[in-house]
Amino acid sequence: GAGVSQSPRYKVAKRGQDVALRCDPISGHVSLFWYQQALGQGPEFLTYFQNEAQLDKSGLPSDRFFAERPEGSVSTLKIQRTQQEDSAVYLCASSSMLGQRTDTQYFGPGTRLTVL
Amino acid sequence: AQSVTQLDSQVPVFEEAPVELRCNYSSSVSVYLFWYVQYPNQGLQLLLKYLSGSTLVKGINGFEAEFNKSQTSFHLRKPSVHISDTAEYFCAVSDHQAGTALIFGKGTTLSVSS
Repeated sequence: GAGVSQSPRYKVAKRGQDVALRCDPISGHVSLFWYQQALGQGPEFLTYFQNEAQLDKSGLPSDRFFAERPEGSVSTLKIQRTQQEDSAVYLCASSSMLGQRTDTQYFGPGTRLTVL
Repeated sequence: AQSVTQLDSQVPVFEEAPVELRCNYSSSVSVYLFWYVQYPNQGLQLLLKYLSGSTLVKGINGFEAEFNKSQTSFHLRKPSVHISDTAEYFCAVSDHQAGTALIFGKGTTLSVSS
């Protein structure tokens, strides 16, 4: 009964570097979400997967952000040419239902990204 | 667009005192409401959610919240807090325009002291 796990927990990148953040959802969960939480703010939606299909990427702030979930389980959020404004905690969440707004989203501990 | 306002950024209380954390949202059309708690270095954990039916919702750890459609509010309450309730609390809403994504408030830090 493991929960959502994320790695690495902390990442320091120099401006301009590419980073990859990993999310392992709860086994069997079909829905997967990425959120960005800036310091002192609530989480903000980035993107949503239903199995391997990326159904909503309306929250991605720029084309430097890319997410994938090729086999419908593990997901990777990639940020290219990181900027200081990308510094935030990146949260992954999963839920068991297919796009049900009533379903509980289970969150991982997050990856804290610091861009120097 | 839907928005969530948590009126208090910080709420300090003494142990065993009652507490209310306030939350207002912008639209009452077909919304579902959630409260999450975030302990240091941990992920967000669901406290309770309102989907339909009774406007008083009971959650884990003795928390409850009341949905008030006319005031577009969903305030969180606990009659007697413990030191262990010290954490960040987030109110969130899901509506048909946002799809399945949750829209969060900025959070309220609850600090319980002895």
